[in-house]
Parts: sequence; structure tokens; C-alpha cells
Amino acid sequence: AQKITQTQPGMFVQEKEAVTLDCTYDTSDQSYGLFWYKQPSSGEMIFLIYQGSYDEQNATEGRYSLNFQKARKSANLVISASQLGDSAMYFCAMREGQRGNNRLAFGKGNQVVVIP
Amino acid sequence: DAGVTQSPTHLIKTRGQQVTLRCSPISGHKSVSWYQQVLGQGPQFIFQYYEKEERGRGNFPDRFSARQFPNYSSELNVNALLLGDSALYLCASSPRVTGELFFGEGSRLTVL
Repeated sequence: AQKITQTQPGMFVQEKEAVTLDCTYDTSDQSYGLFWYKQPSSGEMIFLIYQGSYDEQNATEGRYSLNFQKARKSANLVISASQLGDSAMYFCAMREGQRGNNRLAFGKGNQVVVIP
Repeated sequence: DAGVTQSPTHLIKTRGQQVTLRCSPISGHKSVSWYQQVLGQGPQFIFQYYEKEERGRGNFPDRFSARQFPNYSSELNVNALLLGDSALYLCASSPRVTGELFFGEGSRLTVL
């Protein structure tokens, strides 16, 4: 079964506008972590933001914020004030439980293109 | 400070051949993980090594193997290459067994 679901088609967003990327996850663990990564055409995965399952506040990192709805098992990424350099693939990922490793399960990604 | 470095960046092999990919973690990082990213998909976990011991293995056949050296660098080996092994192979390091992953730019393998 797929643990991370990202189903939005490619998105075009106007520069300076906000964009929301959807992510739903599936786990039976009580303790888990949710991540968002950005992958530009160079291939490198760039860490954006992290949300722990026990964190009461939604995570924020500069222009990135995570809308965490635990009961709905969703962890949507909001990018405010989009910039041309935000054009990339965006991946949601989850690390489950206390398994003593750093294994992440990734979704299929969302393509974002920022237009001037 | 240097980030995670991987070599080679691009390579082409034929079916049945063997390939070795190399990764140098960020200085001070003791954990190295390997991921396979097929075109149009998200990365899939292959292995994690921490302090030279395997800490996790993904759902990949035994043709895939890896090791970590005393300086914490790592190699990923794939034997008897198949067309389906064509992918971007990403290495990531972290200072501890869990925590934020720092990725390299990957090795792009094409199997003909």
C-alpha cells in the first residue's frame, strides 16, 4: 500500500502568489515524521520543512509552512510569495516510528512551475 | 564546507554488467543512505549504513549491495544490471542514525 499520496497534476503558479501542495499519508504508528523536499532539475533533494507527529504547532520555515491535519492524515505544504526559483518537483516523505533508522517513504511528487 | 559528493555523475552500462557508485558524506556525518529514483517517481529507499553497520534495507534484490568504510564514505554495487535499474541513485548523509537527510546530486545510471 502506498504510504504517501501526492495526486495533483503539474501546477502553474503566478510569481508572488501562494501555492498549496497536497500530501496524504498512511501509517498505523503513533510516532512519525513528515518531510517536504524540493528537487530542481539538477537532481539534488533539498530539505524544506519537517513536522513531527507530536508537534502541536504547524511547522514553518521562512516562506514554507506545513498545514498538518493529523486526523485527516494530511500534511500540505504552503509556499507563500512564489519566486521563479521555486520551479521544481516537490516531494512529501514520511519516516515511521522508532525503528532506529532514517528510512523515508516518498510520494511521487508535485511539479510546480512559477511564471512571471 | 563540502556537501555530499557522489561519483560518477553519469554512466552508461549494458545489461548484465556490474556498477559501483560512490558517496562521500558531509564531514562529521556517520550515516549514509542510498535511494533509487526512477524517472517520474519519488526516491525509493535501498540501504542505510551507520557506523559501518547496516541499519536498514529496502525491498531490492540481492543484486544490490553496499558497504561503508572507516571514513564513513560508502559504495553501492549493483550486479547483473537490468534495463529497469536505469535511474538516478541518490546518496544522503546525516550526523546521526536518524535526523535530517542531506542529499547529493546523484549518479544517473543508464542501462542499455
